[in-house]
Amino acid sequence: GAGVSQSPRYKVAKRGQDVALRCDPISGHVSLFWYQQALGQGPEFLTYFQNEAQLDKSGLPSDRFFAERPEGSVSTLKIQRTQQEDSAVYLCASSLSQGRWGTEAFFGQGTRLTVV
Amino acid sequence: GQQLNQSPQSMFIQEGEDVSMNCTSSSIFNTWLWYKQEPGEGPVLLIALYKAGELTSNGRLTAQFGITRKDSFLNISASIPSDVGIYFCAGAGGSEKLVFGKGTKLTVNP
Repeated sequence: GAGVSQSPRYKVAKRGQDVALRCDPISGHVSLFWYQQALGQGPEFLTYFQNEAQLDKSGLPSDRFFAERPEGSVSTLKIQRTQQEDSAVYLCASSLSQGRWGTEAFFGQGTRLTVV
Repeated sequence: GQQLNQSPQSMFIQEGEDVSMNCTSSSIFNTWLWYKQEPGEGPVLLIALYKAGELTSNGRLTAQFGITRKDSFLNISASIPSDVGIYFCAGAGGSEKLVFGKGTKLTVNP
C-alpha cells in the first residue's frame, strides 16, 4: 500500500493477556520505528530497526515489551502480561534512512490498546 | 522520557487569523520537524528543517530552525477550519529517533 499500515486498529486485552501489534511499513523504507502515545501526550520512542537489525531499544519500558522485524519489512510489537499502564496508542513509522531523509518518518494510524 | 517544551498547549482562534507556536529544548538538535495529528489518525509530516536558521514554507505554513539549534517555531497564516488538530514539534539529534513535544491543540472558529 501507499502508506504505513497497522493492525489491529483497536485492541482490548484483559490484564495479563499477551498482545501482538503488526506494522507494514512503506515499501522500500529501510528504517522502522515504534512509538507509544499516551492520552494527551506526544509520541514517545520505543524502538528502532534498520532493515532487520534492532539498533535501539532504549525506549522499551520493560522486558515485557519485545519487537521484531525478521525479514526487514513487516514488524511486530509484542507485549506480554499486559498491565493497565500499557493502555495507549502504539504508532509505527517508517523512513527511507538515507542521509537527511532518514528523519522524515511517516506514521501509520496506530493501534489503540486498552487493557481492562 | 525526554520531551520538548511546546507552547502554547492550546489555542482558540477565529477563521482567518494567523497562528504561531514554538518549541524549545535543552539539547541541540540536527533536525526539527512539525507534524499535525487529527483524532484517530497518526501524525502527518508538515515541514522538515535541517539547518540552523533555515526558514521553510509549505503553503500557508512557515517554520524556522532556531540559530541556537534548540528551538523552532511554526506559523500558520489565514487559518481555516480544516487547520484544526494537534500540532507536534519533533527533534532529532545524532540518530533518527525523534523526541516529540506535548502538542499544541488548535481550534478554529468559523
